[in-house]
Amino acid sequence: SYVLTQPPSVSVAPGKTARITCGGNNIGSKSVHWYQQKPGQVPVLVIYYESDRPSGIPERFSGSNSGNTATLTISRVEAGDEADYYCQVWDSSSDHVVFGGGTTLTVL
Amino acid sequence: EVQLVESGGGLVQPGGSLRLSCGASGFTVSSNHMSWVRQAPGKGLEWVSVIHSGGSIYYADSVKGRFTISRDNSKNTLYLQMNSLRGEDTAVYYCAREAFDYSSSFFDFWGQGTLVTVSS
Repeated sequence: SYVLTQPPSVSVAPGKTARITCGGNNIGSKSVHWYQQKPGQVPVLVIYYESDRPSGIPERFSGSNSGNTATLTISRVEAGDEADYYCQVWDSSSDHVVFGGGTTLTVL
Repeated sequence: EVQLVESGGGLVQPGGSLRLSCGASGFTVSSNHMSWVRQAPGKGLEWVSVIHSGGSIYYADSVKGRFTISRDNSKNTLYLQMNSLRGEDTAVYYCAREAFDYSSSFFDFWGQGTLVTVSS
């Protein structure tokens, strides 16, 4: 089965740029989606198809995907961005959805 | 407005059964791919099962043979029948609508979740 690997935690100072990676075998050939989950809340889609943003998601959130790594980039990080972030793909070979293990973003 | 409301969670003994429901409004369940996703306490998201608009069904290996996903078109409701429950099935269970095309699938709407606790 397809595996997605995320770092458990990322820390960043306010106003700086946070980059959260998602590793997978040839993930660049897949479409990657990202969710934000704040404590006690439901996951929220923040990026779909690598770099598209749903309405209401700030332009500070962007994504990229190439080779074996997809990246969620959050520019000008704010305290309110503290959350767990999950990457997700669809594995066409099994028709299964796959989530990464999640990354906790801490704003220092 | 799209809404998903889960119900049916609770405390159940190991080996027991439980049926979760997810009532939808603002869209038609049978016209969409619908999934269950769970999250164990303090852990990450785990996809559980999907029922496609065309009726195809898939399960995660961890629940295959024990869980059954279904829908009632007349009630616009999604279900998850869970049998032979184990401690590791303890989690918040979310139903979610999938946006799907030939190349990928992602979740654009989520319910608020219902907690299932498997314990004696």
